[in-house]
Amino acid sequence: DIVMTQSPDSLAVSLGERATINCKSSQSLLYNSKNKNYLAWYQQRPGQPPKLLVYWASTRESGVPDRFSGSGSGTDFTLTISSLQAEDVAVYYCQQYYITPPAFGQGTKVEIK
Amino acid sequence: EVQLLESGGTLVQPGGSLRLSCGASGFTFNNYAVSWVRQAPGKGLEWVSAISGSGASTYYADSVKGRFTISRDNSKSTVYLQMNSVRADDTAVYFCAKDIESSSSYYFDYWGQGTLVTVSS
Repeated sequence: DIVMTQSPDSLAVSLGERATINCKSSQSLLYNSKNKNYLAWYQQRPGQPPKLLVYWASTRESGVPDRFSGSGSGTDFTLTISSLQAEDVAVYYCQQYYITPPAFGQGTKVEIK
Repeated sequence: EVQLLESGGTLVQPGGSLRLSCGASGFTFNNYAVSWVRQAPGKGLEWVSAISGSGASTYYADSVKGRFTISRDNSKSTVYLQMNSVRADDTAVYFCAKDIESSSSYYFDYWGQGTLVTVSS
């Protein structure tokens, strides 16, 4: 099984500032023949189900604000919120779908400083 | 509009059984795999099980293999999770989630609101 590890576990960022969340997988998520990284990011606000933000490591889901961006390849990935808004307070999860079972990181809690 | 609605969560004693349901609407149901993902109180997300669009293929996390059974009725646009021999560590909110493919688990573009299963005597 692939293990996903996020860092940090939590971070506090001032409104309008950048938030950066890291995700590391125990093996490469790059499917070479398709040149795609099998990595997604979700946002979970308190009391809500997860919401898809990014897939294929860097493709933003329709309707997701462009302040959210995903990057990385292989085993190291990053979700960046370029200018934190109050509604971005949430827990963020990465998820690999390279192999079954799909696996989530432990989550990163983002708060306002 | 895609909608997923879970039901069946309840308080159950250790060793007991229950069946969760996930009713879907707003998409061609048999074209997509569906997964169950759970979240223990105050914890992260854990994938539990998946079923392909046709129902021919099923997948399970090691933690539930042999105890849980996933199935679907495409005529009713519903996925089920039969939970047997439940344990305290099965206590969680159970979400159903729509996959973006029909064959196996990729990523999930729609999620239900979840149903709470509490295992306690």
